[in-house]
Formats: sequence, structure tokens, C-alpha cells
Amino acid sequence: GDSVTQMEGPVTLSEEAFLTINCTYTATGYPSLFWYVQYPGEGLQLLLKATKADDKGSNKGFEATYRKETTSFHLEKGSVQVSDSAVYFCALSGSGYALNFGKGTSLLVTP
Amino acid sequence: GAVVSQHPSRVICKSGTSVKIECRSLDFQATTMFWYRQFPKQSLMLMATSNEGSKATYEQGVEKDKFLINHASLTLSTLTVTSAHPEDSSFYICSASETGEETQYFGPGTRLLVL
Repeated sequence: GDSVTQMEGPVTLSEEAFLTINCTYTATGYPSLFWYVQYPGEGLQLLLKATKADDKGSNKGFEATYRKETTSFHLEKGSVQVSDSAVYFCALSGSGYALNFGKGTSLLVTP
Repeated sequence: GAVVSQHPSRVICKSGTSVKIECRSLDFQATTMFWYRQFPKQSLMLMATSNEGSKATYEQGVEKDKFLINHASLTLSTLTVTSAHPEDSSFYICSASETGEETQYFGPGTRLLVL
């Protein structure tokens, strides 16, 4: 069945460092791919998405490119801020639009 | 943007009682709503897909008689945990999609503690 694998956390970075959170997937067909972010004490928020191969999703300085050849959707940001500290979830959209989530990666950015 | 609310945000109940959690789409109509469960430091696991006006579709291993789902209108879905036990303690999260759209918008979650 469909599945999402993302790198284990926690990830700790200094402010202004470069961020990469790896995400790979297994799926039949051509799912849409998503990154959601969960700030402390809050619900999940859609960060970005891509619906087909080679699409790049971007938002708030974060980017991820749908790579069909490597079945990946890695999240990147060139310069992280303390306010980016959160848990990041990679997900794919399966049948009926239900989401299949990775385990989440906790990011802590220190001043 | 699309907003989804959940009520209550936190509930503590005694073992054997039933708890109802509401999920509302505040500024859009949602034909489909989803219910997830999240254990501490783990990912969200889909429990069921709720379709307005029809029976919910449950994932394998989820007891439909224990987790009753009602999607009576285009803006409201409810999850009732019947005869709750301590192992049902968890964080329950709903999401909703606008009719015909793929993107899901999530509620803030409900933390259930069964004593």
C-alpha cells in the first residue's frame, strides 16, 4: 500500500541555517504530495503541495519538488528562523483524497 | 482561508462513558471530512472518512460500533467514542475538504483522556 517515509528527528539548527527534511514515498498511481506543519499547541496547517511530477510547491520560504524518478518530496528552506520551530509532516493523497502521513520531523531552531 | 473548528479541545471522562467530538467547517461546505488519531510523538492515522448524507468508511482495524461518525450537514461531522476506555485516550483530529477539492484543512484537535 501507499506509504511515506521521512527522516527521523529531532532536527536542531541555528538561526539562518539551511534546512532539508527528506521525504520519500511509495504509491500506486500518481498521488499529490503535501507538507503540513504543526506548531506547538496548534493543529496542522498546509505548508505547500505539488500535484504532479516536477511541480515545485513553495510557501513562506519553504520549497519542495515532486521528483517521480526518486519518489521524493524533500522540504528545503535556505535560512530558517526561530519561528519555524515545529513538527513537519510529509503526506500523500491516496484514494478518496485521504492523506497518508509520514511520522513527522520535529525541528528546533535556536537563536 | 478555510477554517475548521473542533469542540471540545480537551475532555476528561470516566471509563465506560461516551464522548462526542464535533468538527465544523466554518467558511466552506465540506462534502467529505476525515477523522484521524494521533498518539504522542507519532503520526496521524486515518480512522474514517465521513461523507455527508451517507455512512462513514472506516479504516481496517477501526471499530465502527465504538467510533460512531455522523456527517449530518455540509458543515458538521461528529465522532462519538462509545464506552470509552483508557486505551482510547489520544488526540483526535478532523479535517475537511471543500466539495471537489483535494486539499484538506485541519481542526486544532481534541485531546481525550479516559480515566
